[in-house]
Amino acid sequence: DAGVTQSPTHLIKTRGQHVTLRCSPISGHKSVSWYQQVLGQGPQFIFQYYEKEERGRGNFPDRFSARQFPNYSSELNVNALLLGDSALYLCASSLGQISYEQYFGPGTRLTVT
Amino acid sequence: GDSVTQMEGPVTLSEEAFLTINCTYTATGYPSLFWYVQYPGEGLQLLLKATKADDKGSNKGFEATYRKETTSFHLEKGSVQVSDSAVYFCARGSGSSNTGKLIFGQGTTLQVKP
Repeated sequence: DAGVTQSPTHLIKTRGQHVTLRCSPISGHKSVSWYQQVLGQGPQFIFQYYEKEERGRGNFPDRFSARQFPNYSSELNVNALLLGDSALYLCASSLGQISYEQYFGPGTRLTVT
Repeated sequence: GDSVTQMEGPVTLSEEAFLTINCTYTATGYPSLFWYVQYPGEGLQLLLKATKADDKGSNKGFEATYRKETTSFHLEKGSVQVSDSAVYFCARGSGSSNTGKLIFGQGTTLQVKP
């Protein structure tokens, strides 16, 4: 069975640009969560979407937004990129809205120069 | 606020040594607790979990017991292998009624030498 897939694998952007990251959950999973992992730290929760609606938002500025599509895939958008946005962005899928047993993708490494 | 604290790394051990990685959490209520492992260049993999006090999670020789008295969930393995070298993250569920948000510790790097 395919696991969680994310694209692209790596991305280099310039300050002020915007970026879109994509995630496809495990088949049958309806919840997608996004996490930011800065080098040397644990993942920080950004968003959770379940059944195409936002169910949770972490302490991130409004430059960060996301959405979930009818096939349960998801996009994370970041506008007006800052150097501090450089990180590994992880997507996790789970069966239900309150399911903590989450399956992570390999991540997208974003570098902002 | 809710948080998870892990022991500082890196932890360097010889093969077949005993491993303990300490993890404590702050909590209102009784959150679900997890250990995730991240191998170089990969995403996180769920290693084990415990959902209530005194539960013991186990997988691949790793164990952790949910201790509500000490708010701890220490990871142990009796005999580590070189292939166990990775970063280990302790995490707790947020306890929210409407989101499956996970709260992670900062991670502990384990290096096992032959």
